[in-house]
Amino acid sequence: DAGITQSPRHKVTETGTPVTLRCHQTENHRYMYWYRQDPGHGLRLIHYSYGVKDTDKGEVSDGYSVSRSKTEDFLLTLESATSSQTSVYFCAIREGGDTGELFFGEGSRLTVL
Amino acid sequence: SQKIEQNSEALNIQEGKTATLTCNYTNYSPAYLQWYRQDPGRGPVFLLLIRENEKEKRKERLKVTFDTTLKQSLFHITASQPADSATYLCSANSGYALNFGKGTSLLVTP
Repeated sequence: DAGITQSPRHKVTETGTPVTLRCHQTENHRYMYWYRQDPGHGLRLIHYSYGVKDTDKGEVSDGYSVSRSKTEDFLLTLESATSSQTSVYFCAIREGGDTGELFFGEGSRLTVL
Repeated sequence: SQKIEQNSEALNIQEGKTATLTCNYTNYSPAYLQWYRQDPGRGPVFLLLIRENEKEKRKERLKVTFDTTLKQSLFHITASQPADSATYLCSANSGYALNFGKGTSLLVTP
């Protein structure tokens, strides 16, 4: 099984504050992904990475930035959190090759008041 | 824009029957589709992958089809059990990205 951990698992913050979510993997996988999941919208891709310092935008990237300075960590930052960013955030890693399955973390529940 | 559409209505079936879930995609030419299962409060779990040059794939009681002409995938669970109750997500690749439909909730009753 892939080792993937997300932190924090739960966070409550106020509008306008910066927030960083961390995704950590232990198995050197090339591809990492950040999704958000909301009722009625399903799972939507925010950003993904295909290597150290190589990232690209997903369908809902506005208001989010990411960084990957080393293979094992993929950080998602909300520079100035808004209530519309209240969501459950899932990190995933791709196992196997370019078409491999995604293995998801347990999720980070973020509430922006 | 690219879309992946799944039945929004929940699917209720009786134990032992076959459940069939539909996934349609538009403005896409995916090289492959993947199906995932998600239980409440948990992350999605991979079930099956099917490539564009494959018409059908099977794994135990699961079967998935891929029709590139209809731009559709069907996901079947045969001899369904209450433990199969979950939300099932269809996904399609766009380059290295993997985009998901909203999922279909399946409830299997004894």
